[in-house]
Amino acid sequence: AQSVTQLDSQVPVFEEAPVELRCNYSSSVSVYLFWYVQYPNQGLQLLLKYLSGSTLVKGINGFEAEFNKSQTSFHLRKPSVHISDTAEYFCAVSGNDMRFGAGTRLTVKP
Amino acid sequence: DTAVSQTPKYLVTQMGNDKSIKCEQNLGHDTMYWYKQDSKKFLKIMFSYNNKELIINETVPNRFSPKSPDKAHLNLHINSLELGDSAVYFCASSLDSYNEQFFGPGTRLTVL
Repeated sequence: AQSVTQLDSQVPVFEEAPVELRCNYSSSVSVYLFWYVQYPNQGLQLLLKYLSGSTLVKGINGFEAEFNKSQTSFHLRKPSVHISDTAEYFCAVSGNDMRFGAGTRLTVKP
Repeated sequence: DTAVSQTPKYLVTQMGNDKSIKCEQNLGHDTMYWYKQDSKKFLKIMFSYNNKELIINETVPNRFSPKSPDKAHLNLHINSLELGDSAVYFCASSLDSYNEQFFGPGTRLTVL
């Protein structure tokens, strides 16, 4: 079975600052990795995914993530955040089935 | 076009009542799911169906019963509602268990 750990439950950051949301996974099989975003009072939507190939994955809204197999990590980054990026972010891993992390609350302050 | 839809969006009810939440997807996916999200945003999978057959049935009370009349629908029926059932319930679908999931807008259930 696979599992995923999001290392920060809350990340406050000022507008236009860079941000990194950390995610580590464990699995005994090959995995696919995902980041989802949940805006207030909405469902989850896909930001980006890693299936294979280049370890640097670009997603929507200027986000990117890097798959690091040796460190079993898939951290999400954005070089300059906006107020509108305030949301809950979920890392997920799929092997035999999909498992979600506990979420990281990103709060962007003016 | 809405990919995954749920009804109702809000549901307020008394303890002990029975209620249902409906979910439909028009993506042609084979796999559908129900998740429960608590007040701390933790997302817990409840059920997974593939081609109308139950695949995952996590430890949930047997008061919760999913029903899949066809591949495009997965409804959730809850008997004898309790205060602890208050949460947001999300339906999702995917091509298979490995691929990205598409989520519905959620149903906020409040049990009084």
